[in-house]
Amino acid sequence: KQEVTQIPAALSVPEGENLVLNCSFTDSAIYNLQWFRQDPGKGLTSLLLIQSSQREQTSGRLNASLDKSSGRSTLYIAASQPGDSATYLCAVTGAGGTSYGKLTFGQGTILTVHP
Amino acid sequence: GAGVSQTPSNKVTEKGKYVELRCDPISGHTALYWYRQSLGQGPEFLIYFQGTGAADDSGLPNDRFFAVRPEGSVSTLKIQRTERGDSAVYLCASSRLGAPNTGELFFGEGSRLTVL
Repeated sequence: KQEVTQIPAALSVPEGENLVLNCSFTDSAIYNLQWFRQDPGKGLTSLLLIQSSQREQTSGRLNASLDKSSGRSTLYIAASQPGDSATYLCAVTGAGGTSYGKLTFGQGTILTVHP
Repeated sequence: GAGVSQTPSNKVTEKGKYVELRCDPISGHTALYWYRQSLGQGPEFLIYFQGTGAADDSGLPNDRFFAVRPEGSVSTLKIQRTERGDSAVYLCASSRLGAPNTGELFFGEGSRLTVL
């Protein structure tokens, strides 16, 4: 059974810092990995999607990397802003077994960027 | 509409009652997913539809939970004899592609269910 772990559980940083959020998964048989953002009381917004054959994706100040063989992904946020404060969720789409076609989520990292 | 729409946004009910939650996916998306998110946790898979059929319902917790998508668009999640432990946010997502080549998922804002 696929398990996804995110570290740290919470992170508080001053505005302007560069930061890294970590995600690890136990089964490397994945089709893709997505990073989502969730604001309090809201749904999920997709930030970046990395296919299993890719190593990284970039969007603005966000960069996500994928090391499928070691079961790891990182989300790098450059020059953080207070508006980046949210919960960041990592999810993998399974390629086989009981995880086939499903997204398995981590518990999220709660990010607070203070002015 | 432009995004995934879920209704109601909030539902408060009493233990033992029947509840229906509705999801209207992005037009043209063939794949539709239901997830459940408890406080402080990541979403957990419930059921996946490819077109009208439930391709995988292995995440439904028990037989009180049922979902339909009769015309391959709108889906309804039905919960019978609700229990306090059913309280959570129920999220719906859609994708242009289905398993195994699941593309980017687009989520609705969820239906927050509270069972008193």
